[in-house]
Amino acid sequence: EVQLVESGGGLVQPGGSLRLSCAASEFSFSICSMNWVRQAPGKGLEWVSYISSGSSTIYYADSVKGRFTISRDNAKNSLYLQMNSLRDEDTAVYYCARDSPNYDILTDWGQGTLVTVAS
Amino acid sequence: DVVMTQSPLSLPVTLGQPASISCRSSQSLVYSDGNTYLNWFQQRPGQSPRRLIYKVSNRDFGVPDRFSGSGSGTDFTLKISRVEAEDVGVYYCMQGTHWPWTFGQGTKVEIK
Repeated sequence: EVQLVESGGGLVQPGGSLRLSCAASEFSFSICSMNWVRQAPGKGLEWVSYISSGSSTIYYADSVKGRFTISRDNAKNSLYLQMNSLRDEDTAVYYCARDSPNYDILTDWGQGTLVTVAS
Repeated sequence: DVVMTQSPLSLPVTLGQPASISCRSSQSLVYSDGNTYLNWFQQRPGQSPRRLIYKVSNRDFGVPDRFSGSGSGTDFTLKISRVEAEDVGVYYCMQGTHWPWTFGQGTKVEIK
């Protein structure tokens, strides 16, 4: 069974930084594109960022562009999200989600990690 | 950005009765490869989202056949033929045709 385990969430002050990780197992990580999707408390889902299998293609939502950086290490089966200049509105549960090969979108999701931005 | 508009936002349903959720996109979701990347997700209370339907009408493995998706272009529908207690939660449509990917606001399904 596909496993996606996020970590790195926590409480951070506005303007601060945090790095999220997603450990992947039980599938061929290196051939799958990956995503971060977030959900503010009591709100809907918002796609945040995409990275292709070989890291050659990266996309961001406008709300995080220039502040967040997605990356991956295929040798470690891991996905990352470096979040800088954090704002109150970045408070959310952040989910790691994989795309299966052949552009099969958001097939599996992790359990999420909570990021709280507050002073 | 493509705006995904769901209706209704709240859907009280009697057990065993059908339910239907509409999703409209602000532009066509037909991609250059001929596919329409419109997906449906279910989020049960306290759980992560789970994909139910991909490319408009294809059920994911393990999804009961009481769930069905239909539509084309800009107009899509998720139907539950007979609602069961385990179907309570929020349902989201999502488009993967245009960047950035976007979700609908969500429709909360509850039992009357």
